[in-house]
Amino acid sequence: SQTIHQWPATLVQPVGSPLSLECTVEGTSNPNLYWYRQAAGRGLQLLFYSVGIGQISSEVPQNLSASRPQDRQFILSSKKLLLSDSGFYLCAWSTGGANTGELFFGEGSRLTVL
Amino acid sequence: AQKVTQAQTEISVVEKEDVTLDCVYETRDTTYYLFWYKQPPSGELVFLIRRNSFDEQNEISGRYSWNFQKSTSSFNFTITASQVVDSAVYFCALSPMNRDDKIIFGKGTRLHILP
Repeated sequence: SQTIHQWPATLVQPVGSPLSLECTVEGTSNPNLYWYRQAAGRGLQLLFYSVGIGQISSEVPQNLSASRPQDRQFILSSKKLLLSDSGFYLCAWSTGGANTGELFFGEGSRLTVL
Repeated sequence: AQKVTQAQTEISVVEKEDVTLDCVYETRDTTYYLFWYKQPPSGELVFLIRRNSFDEQNEISGRYSWNFQKSTSSFNFTITASQVVDSAVYFCALSPMNRDDKIIFGKGTRLHILP
């Protein structure tokens, strides 16, 4: 069966520090991968999605970046965190296109920027 | 433009009561998908249902039922005989069927089931 893991689960970082959140999927190949951010009271915002190794689409211009160095690995990074980067980050995968919708989510990573 | 509105930010009901979560959407696409996801306190979202825009039949799955009304652009979710384990944030979502474009989520409704 397929599983998705992301880490770390919680992170407290000072403003201006770097960030690296990692997500891996097991049990499937060539998944579509997504990073979402959930800020309090603002629902889910799609940040990045990837349909293959090295292929990243950015939805929201900001100081975050994503990379997909391997088929089932998706990394969210920042060189310098802002206070506004605080939130709950969710990685997800799907087998269909971005619109077909059954997304499988990881456990989430809660980031607090101080 | 696509938009999903969940007007109920937070709802509290007593266990065993029925509760309906509202979802209203806007889209210019003639064919689209609608979804509901559940986010329990543990954090990960869990897929509940996907409906196609050309299939307006209501769906029932155990204590869960969904009422899709294209005429009012609504896709409401009812939990019958609610249980404490139903406490979660519920998200309604929308995506175009014939374009490879992202899913748009509503802001979610936080549901509290009180014992």
